[in-house]
Amino acid sequence: EVQLVESGGGLVQPGGSLTLSCAASGFILSNYDVHWVRQAPGKGLEWVSRIGTSGDKYYQASVKGRFSLSRDEAKNSLHLHMSSLTPDDTAVYFCARGGGSSWNWLDPWGQGTLVTVAS
Amino acid sequence: QSALTQPASVSGSPGQSITISCTGSRSDIGTYVLVSWYQHHPGKAPKLLIYEVSKRPSGVSTRFSGSKSGNTASLTISGLQSEDEGDYYCCSYAGSSNSMVFGGGTKVTVL
Repeated sequence: EVQLVESGGGLVQPGGSLTLSCAASGFILSNYDVHWVRQAPGKGLEWVSRIGTSGDKYYQASVKGRFSLSRDEAKNSLHLHMSSLTPDDTAVYFCARGGGSSWNWLDPWGQGTLVTVAS
Repeated sequence: QSALTQPASVSGSPGQSITISCTGSRSDIGTYVLVSWYQHHPGKAPKLLIYEVSKRPSGVSTRFSGSKSGNTASLTISGLQSEDEGDYYCCSYAGSSNSMVFGGGTKVTVL
């Protein structure tokens, strides 16, 4: 079964750092684009970042320079390294596999991991 | 890149049809066929309903259909059922910023 499972969320102070992980099963993660999407409390979905099959990386403007992606092919997983966190980064973070051509659909999605930035 | 515009809520009775609009611009929906729709029940993983404007993944009910005209995409749910209650999001590629942009989400209520 194709599945994505996020982990690493938690409570972090403003200005702090946190690394989220997205573990894939049922497929080889590096053979697909993988995206991170977040949902702040009471808000809608917001695209955060994408890593392509060739390792090309893209970030939403509000996280550029603070968030970075890395892939661990041995563990078939993707990491989202987040730094200089602010309360506006509080959200459930989902990872999702990209389908079709680049920037096409997202399927499947993980169930998400909650990041809370607060003092 | 601004979020796509969706109505906050849409409701209908069982068996009726409803349509959710998603308005963007020439930078996203107006130029690309890379428009997708997702159903989300809080606490669960979002589910892909429609991709490339109007294509349905296998396993998705034929009651869901998508279309596009100009800068606006639409999702129609026909034969509304109680299980269709939830949040629905449109999404498009935004070429000028090399990113994806979502709509604000529409809460569907079955009366």
